[in-house]
Order: sequence, then C-alpha cells, then structure tokens
Amino acid sequence: GENVEQHPSTLSVQEGDSAVIKCTYSDSASNYFPWYKQELGKGPQLIIDIRSNVGEKKDQRIAVTLNKTAKHFSLHITETQPEDSAVYFCAASGTGFQKLVFGTGTRLLVSP
Amino acid sequence: DSGVTQTPKHLITATGQRVTLRCSPRSGDLSVYWYQQSLDQGLQFLIHYYNGEERAKGNILERFSAQQFPDLHSELNLSSLELGDSALYFCASSLRQGDSYEQYFGPGTRLTVT
Repeated sequence: GENVEQHPSTLSVQEGDSAVIKCTYSDSASNYFPWYKQELGKGPQLIIDIRSNVGEKKDQRIAVTLNKTAKHFSLHITETQPEDSAVYFCAASGTGFQKLVFGTGTRLLVSP
Repeated sequence: DSGVTQTPKHLITATGQRVTLRCSPRSGDLSVYWYQQSLDQGLQFLIHYYNGEERAKGNILERFSAQQFPDLHSELNLSSLELGDSALYFCASSLRQGDSYEQYFGPGTRLTVT
C-alpha cells in the first residue's frame, strides 16, 4: 500500500524566512496530495492541495510543488509569521476510495 | 470552522468499556471518513462511508465498528477498550467519493482509557 515519508520532523525559522517541507510517496497511482495544518487541540485544517495533472499551485504565501517522476511533493511557505507555527501534515490519495495516507508531520516553529 | 461537528469533545472511560463517538458531516457532504491519531502511529485511516454504505476499511480493529445513518451522520463504536485505544479520533467529510474530493476534518474526540 501507499507509504508517505515527510521531512523534516521539526523546523525552526525566524519570522519572515521561508519554510520548506518535503514528502515522498510510494504508490505511483496516487493522484491527489493535500497539505493540512494542525494547531494544538484542533483538527487538521486543509490549507492547499494539488492533483497529479498539475506541477505547482500557489495560494498567497503558500505553494505546493509536485514531481511525479520522482514521486515527491513539497510545501513552501514564504514570509513566515508566528501564527504559521503548527504541525503540518502531507498526505497522498489514490483512485477509488480516497483514503488519505498521511506523513508523520512537521512541527514548524516561527520565532518573532 | 470546517463545518464538521464531533461529539463528545473529551471522553474518559475504563478498560473493557464501550463508547460511541458521533460525527455530523458538512451540509451536503455524502462521505464520512474516520481517522485515529496517536503519538506512535500518527494519523491512520480507519473506515469510509458513502451515503450510508461502507466503502473502505483501513487499520480498524475488529472491536471497532461504524455506521452512517440516513441523515448522513456517522457513529464510531469502540468496544472492549484497551489502554492503547487512547487517542484522538477524527472524522472528515467530503462531497463525494470519486475524483479525489477534499476532506474536511472535525475538531476530534479525545478518548482516554484508564
């Protein structure tokens, strides 16, 4: 079955810096790649997603890139702010029943 | 606010007991997914229902069961509880099962088994 690896497990940046989180997946049939932000005590919040027919997607300070050949995708956050501090999860989903297989999470800390 | 509601928010119970977790999907969503989040296993898919029918099972124990009712709310039943079942349980909903529709998560139920 699908396996998703996520790096790094923790990431500390200064406010205004960029942050990059990387994920690799194993199942070449996967075609949907969402990213979730989870704050303490809350459920995962969908922040951006990308489908396999697109190489890059951007939404304000957040962008996601997908390399299908290498089977990896990345989350880029520019001009980080303290409120970006949270745990970020990548996930992959294939055709059929759309269960999400999650990475292990990245704890992002943005220091003022 | 995702529009997905879950009750209760917290649940504390003893080993061997049975509990029921409830989820109401976003208005109009037909699919409900259940996930378990624990420190050692991360976020794991448990089961998926679409319009009242079970569509996929993941790493769900035989002691666990779920159903989706005609009004589309779903319940996750956990029985013969063990200490290791302590975790956060999330449900997520999406519009339909095909073509990779976005899943929106509820706030979760924190289960503590003592």
